[in-house]
Amino acid sequence: DAGITQSPRYKITETGRQVTLMCHQTWSHSYMFWYRQDLGHGLRLIYYSAAADITDKGEVPDGYVVSRSKTENFPLTLESATRSQTSVYFCASSDPNQPQHFGDGTRLSIL
Amino acid sequence: QKEVEQNSGPLSVPEGAIASLNCTYSDRGSQSFFWYRQYSGKSPELIMFIYSNGDKEDGRFTAQLNKASQYVSLLIRDSQPSDSATYLCAAIGRVQGAQKLVFGQGTRLTINP
Repeated sequence: DAGITQSPRYKITETGRQVTLMCHQTWSHSYMFWYRQDLGHGLRLIYYSAAADITDKGEVPDGYVVSRSKTENFPLTLESATRSQTSVYFCASSDPNQPQHFGDGTRLSIL
Repeated sequence: QKEVEQNSGPLSVPEGAIASLNCTYSDRGSQSFFWYRQYSGKSPELIMFIYSNGDKEDGRFTAQLNKASQYVSLLIRDSQPSDSATYLCAAIGRVQGAQKLVFGQGTRLTINP
């Protein structure tokens, strides 16, 4: 089915571990985005990508790494997880200046 | 000042009434505006977008844009309990100098039967 899928849906890990959240879209959208959503802060942009091999920082990029070797995939890695990174993470995709469409989210807990 | 501001609510409206959700934005260069609905534990879902001044209607939903006042609103007519959700306003603005979709914090709407 066409759409945007995130995996895993839920993840529990420990501080200091590396965690990778996956995002895959089948629309061939050029843009992809990673957000985190926390109570009191709404949706905050972590990183985005305008095309394969092009990525850029958003509002809250510290502690995260992204890559985009293929148009359809945009993984987000927490290199050394911290408790403050406990959040719900959403991936989204769009064409330029068009509405973004969101995946179902990954609920990440860091103990 | 946040680029997109919404009253966080909660906004409580009786079933069948009109729910009015408001949003202001600071970037005068913003051209495109979106309303997303987010049910608890779910992802944001696009329900309306508006690019031009005035009203845009889609079923029970009407989006209103006033660029001079930097104001966007969403009206929901004949409110239903299933409309209870958080509504996110978003504008294409600038984050760190580049064009991005900027979200407000959302307004939590409750429709009372």
